[in-house]
Amino acid sequence: AQTVTQSQPEMSVQEAETVTLSCTYDTSESDYYLFWYKQPPSRQMILVIRQEAYKQQNATENRFSVNFQKAAKSFSLKISDSQLGDAAMYFCAYRSPNTGNQFYFGTGTSLTVIP
Amino acid sequence: DAGVIQSPRHEVTEMGQEVTLRCKPISGHNSLFWYRQTMMRGLELLIYFNNNVPIDDSGMPEDRFSAKMPNASFSTLKIQPSEPRDSAVYFCASSPEGGWEETQYFGPGTRLLVL
Repeated sequence: AQTVTQSQPEMSVQEAETVTLSCTYDTSESDYYLFWYKQPPSRQMILVIRQEAYKQQNATENRFSVNFQKAAKSFSLKISDSQLGDAAMYFCAYRSPNTGNQFYFGTGTSLTVIP
Repeated sequence: DAGVIQSPRHEVTEMGQEVTLRCKPISGHNSLFWYRQTMMRGLELLIYFNNNVPIDDSGMPEDRFSAKMPNASFSTLKIQPSEPRDSAVYFCASSPEGGWEETQYFGPGTRLLVL
């Protein structure tokens, strides 16, 4: 079965600084999608960004970007110019056509933004 | 679009009572997922449906848990009898048809407390 690992249970960043959250995954598939979700204190899960495995170009959404290293099976999230509203739990997730519609989630990284 | 709707948002019950959680997926979505989130175990997939058919219920903890999807616009997760260790936030999510590249859209969650 696919596994998604987030090795940083907690991270902190100074406001306006940049932080990188790590995610690695284990798969034998060649085509798949990777996602980062944000869960603020409200508990609502919000999609932040997603990356197609067949695309070499790293996905970017405003202040959020990824560093996708397919060979290393690594998918890190970079948050630039961190804001207080970025404080949340961040989950990495994996999905492939051979897993049907099932998503595999990491255990999450709790991000604190220091004013 | 109203998004995924879950009810109730909060539920407090006593051990031994039956609990029913409800979910209305986004119209047109053909996949529905039930997750449980706790501090100890993180985000766990309990069961998911494709076109109203349960595909994988291996995450359902035990026979006290059951889930149904009688039609494309409604699903229930039932716990009978409930126990204090069932206390958690239960999320429902739906995903559209057409591509495994699609993300999941989460509801706001039901916070369950079993006393």
